[in-house]
Amino acid sequence: GAGVSQSPRYKVAKRGQDVALRCDPISGHVSLFWYQQALGQGPEFLTYFQNEAQLDKSGLPSDRFFAERPEGSVSTLKIQRTQQEDSAVYLCASSLVAGHLSGNTIYFGEGSWLTVV
Amino acid sequence: ELKVEQNPLFLSMQEGKNYTIYCNYSTTSDRLYWYRQDPGKSLESLFVLLSNGAVKQEGRLMASLDTKARLSTLHITAAVHDLSATYFCAVDMPYTNKLIFGTGTLLAVQP
Repeated sequence: GAGVSQSPRYKVAKRGQDVALRCDPISGHVSLFWYQQALGQGPEFLTYFQNEAQLDKSGLPSDRFFAERPEGSVSTLKIQRTQQEDSAVYLCASSLVAGHLSGNTIYFGEGSWLTVV
Repeated sequence: ELKVEQNPLFLSMQEGKNYTIYCNYSTTSDRLYWYRQDPGKSLESLFVLLSNGAVKQEGRLMASLDTKARLSTLHITAAVHDLSATYFCAVDMPYTNKLIFGTGTLLAVQP
């Protein structure tokens, strides 16, 4: 596709429910990132994939958060037993080359807006 | 811990005026990014600044980087309403693949 695509765009979950958020990166992009953006804040790093390898998951806030990218393209962020503090926009981003150490452009999706009630 | 601070957090300005948004960061990094975000939309990449003294311009926006001062600026020239958005700076966390974002500057350009 032309850009990074995320689904669902909006999700309302009851507290304790599991959710899965999908990201379709730009075709051929090696790097994939997940960020969490709370209302009125800047995005915060969650995790990074280089192809199918999850090289950094240091930003995942708890063991309820799990991300995968099994074939090196589509990625899923799963949140188990959702809590109200999980309410945020979850942004996926991709870039053509490995990481952003070379300063290459990182393209963001429009995000999945999660509200936990 | 790398911290990124932007100021002002909110900026209301009139069309035709000039203003500057500042981005300070706390530890050494040689790469700084500026993004624009419209309400409910994705982050749009504006500039990638890779070295000390780097200056880039696109339309009415100009960004610069001073790595010694750990400061980047985003200068707006002769603002127009279409520039109204939230602007974020972000800095590479050294030796990682993380971007550390500032809290953003909400820019409102009044006619």
